[in-house]
Amino acid sequence: KAGVTQTPRYLIKTRGQQVTLSCSPISGHRSVSWYQQTPGQGLQFLFEYFSETQRNKGNFPGRFSGRQFSNSRSEMNVSTLELGDSALYLCASSPGGSLQETQYFGPGTRLLVL
Amino acid sequence: AQSVTQLDSQVPVFEEAPVELRCNYSSSVSVYLFWYVQYPNQGLQLLLKYLSGSTLVKSINGFEAEFNKSQTSFHLRKPSVHISDTAEYFCAVSDRGKLIFGQGTTLQVKP
Repeated sequence: KAGVTQTPRYLIKTRGQQVTLSCSPISGHRSVSWYQQTPGQGLQFLFEYFSETQRNKGNFPGRFSGRQFSNSRSEMNVSTLELGDSALYLCASSPGGSLQETQYFGPGTRLLVL
Repeated sequence: AQSVTQLDSQVPVFEEAPVELRCNYSSSVSVYLFWYVQYPNQGLQLLLKYLSGSTLVKSINGFEAEFNKSQTSFHLRKPSVHISDTAEYFCAVSDRGKLIFGQGTTLQVKP
């Protein structure tokens, strides 16, 4: 089975712009979670989608949003980018979203905001 | 809310020496505990996890971790490390449907 894929792998944007990141989960997985990784804050949970519904949300401002499509692919969007949004964005998929299941992570999208 | 503390940000060790990476979490209520490894320019890979049952859990590549409820700890150990174990290691705990990660420990294995 192919692993979790994320596109693009690298992205450079300027302040005030918006960005959309994409995540394709492992075939058959219906849950997709997003995490932000920065040197200062570490790994922080953004949100989780299951069957096209946001099931869980972290403590991020409303500029961060996401969605999931019927094929379980997910996108996250960040509007009005700030310098502090520079980070590695990781998505993870699992069959049903239970934490008893193994979450499989993609390689991440590295976003640099100038 | 749960929190995770990884007590060492960097652990240098010589090849074939034993190593322990320390992890403490904040609450003694029933939790799931995980160790993930991240190699440079890659995502996270699950190393091992504790859900219930035996407090000692093992990975296929020689790592093991012991769940200690009274000390709220889940330390990761390996009796003999290899150069290829050089990576960043993250301890995580479940909290209301999401993973809470520690800040990470960089394991540097020197020849």
